[in-house]
Amino acid sequence: KAGVTQTPRYLIKTRGQQVTLSCSPISGHRSVSWYQQTPGQGLQFLFEYFSETQRNKGNFPGRFSGRQFSNSRSEMNVSTLELGDSALYLCASSLVPPPETQYFGPGTRLLVL
Amino acid sequence: QQQVKQSPQSLIVQKGGISIINCAYENTAFDYFPWYQQFPGKGPALLIAIRPDVSEKKEGRFTISFNKSAKQFSLHIMDSQPGDSATYFCAARGTRDSNYQLIWGAGTKLIIKP
Repeated sequence: KAGVTQTPRYLIKTRGQQVTLSCSPISGHRSVSWYQQTPGQGLQFLFEYFSETQRNKGNFPGRFSGRQFSNSRSEMNVSTLELGDSALYLCASSLVPPPETQYFGPGTRLLVL
Repeated sequence: QQQVKQSPQSLIVQKGGISIINCAYENTAFDYFPWYQQFPGKGPALLIAIRPDVSEKKEGRFTISFNKSAKQFSLHIMDSQPGDSATYFCAARGTRDSNYQLIWGAGTKLIIKP
């Protein structure tokens, strides 16, 4: 079985731009979670989707949004990028919530200049 | 806000030694405590997990010790090897009231010296 795939793997943007990241979960997995990882902050939970519905949301501003499609693929969008948004964005999938074993993708490294 | 406090932030252990990473949680209900291991350039991967009705779980060289009354749990790596060098995250899953949200520790960077 293919693992969780994330595209793109690397991205460079400038302040004020917006970005969309994509995540394809493991086949059959219907729950997708997104995390932001920075060296000083560890893993910060962004949101979780199941059956195209947002189940949980972390403490991030409204500039961060996401969605899930009927095939369980998910996207997250960050609008009006700030320098502090530079981070590794990780997607994790699991069969169904509540999450036990989460399978993480390799992440998308976003650099905001 | 619910928190899981993880320590130490970084740890250097000699090959063959015991690595110990600790996590503590606050006064709230959690029902599942996983540990994840992350190598550079990779996403985290589940290493071992425990439920609160068990005080210890062992898988090979990795052991979780769980102290429910103290609200603490720890990861022990016996006979630590250079290949164990990675960042380790503890987490705690909330119950139905919190929609089973996972709360993560800040991570511990472990270096095993040959």
